[in-house]
Amino acid sequence: NAGVTQTPKFQVLKTGQSMTLQCAQDMNHNSMYWYRQDPGMGLRLIYYSASEGTTDKGEVPNGYNVSRLNKREFSLRLESAAPSQTSVYFCASRGEGWGRGEAFFGQGTRLTVV
Amino acid sequence: AQKITQTQPGMFVQEKEAVTLDCTYDTSDQSYGLFWYKQPSSGEMIFLIYQGSYDEQNATEGRYSLNFQKARKSANLVISASQLGDSAMYFCAMREDAGGTSYGKLTFGQGTILTVHP
Repeated sequence: NAGVTQTPKFQVLKTGQSMTLQCAQDMNHNSMYWYRQDPGMGLRLIYYSASEGTTDKGEVPNGYNVSRLNKREFSLRLESAAPSQTSVYFCASRGEGWGRGEAFFGQGTRLTVV
Repeated sequence: AQKITQTQPGMFVQEKEAVTLDCTYDTSDQSYGLFWYKQPSSGEMIFLIYQGSYDEQNATEGRYSLNFQKARKSANLVISASQLGDSAMYFCAMREDAGGTSYGKLTFGQGTILTVHP
């Protein structure tokens, strides 16, 4: 009963380094999302994938790339990390349909860029 | 303009009392959904309650209820009989559904930190 699994949970990067945040869900959901959480700003959408093979920009996409590897996996890549990307990153997934269809979130990745 | 506004950065409540967390939203869509999530100090996001824009009755889930006032565009969370374990950050979020193109994207408010005192 894993739900949404993110790795790693913590990461420290030096400015300019690159890394990939991994996310996998086992609920057969079509839609997946990456959000970042900063103090006083709630969660903001970075990228999303409405279905396997599609990705699109959210509110704050600059400095990030994503890959929807298959239906289960959606990764977020920082090509050249900057201190402004210090944040907590959440992956989420959602099934199709109207109505409630709440998003399920991973445990989060706390990233510090020094 | 902010789509979701939570005006209370912090709230305090005595154990066993009720508390209301405010949320106002801004949308021109007729079809939308409103959500509340809880984030305890451990960091995970826990879904609490959902209200659809066409739902005529206020949503309830156990001790949680949503006071939905559509004309005022407010969706306040009411927690009855507060418990120490309710101490957490609470987020209000909106999904705009018009045209079926939202793909489930959520817009979040800034959050309210709730502290329950014994």
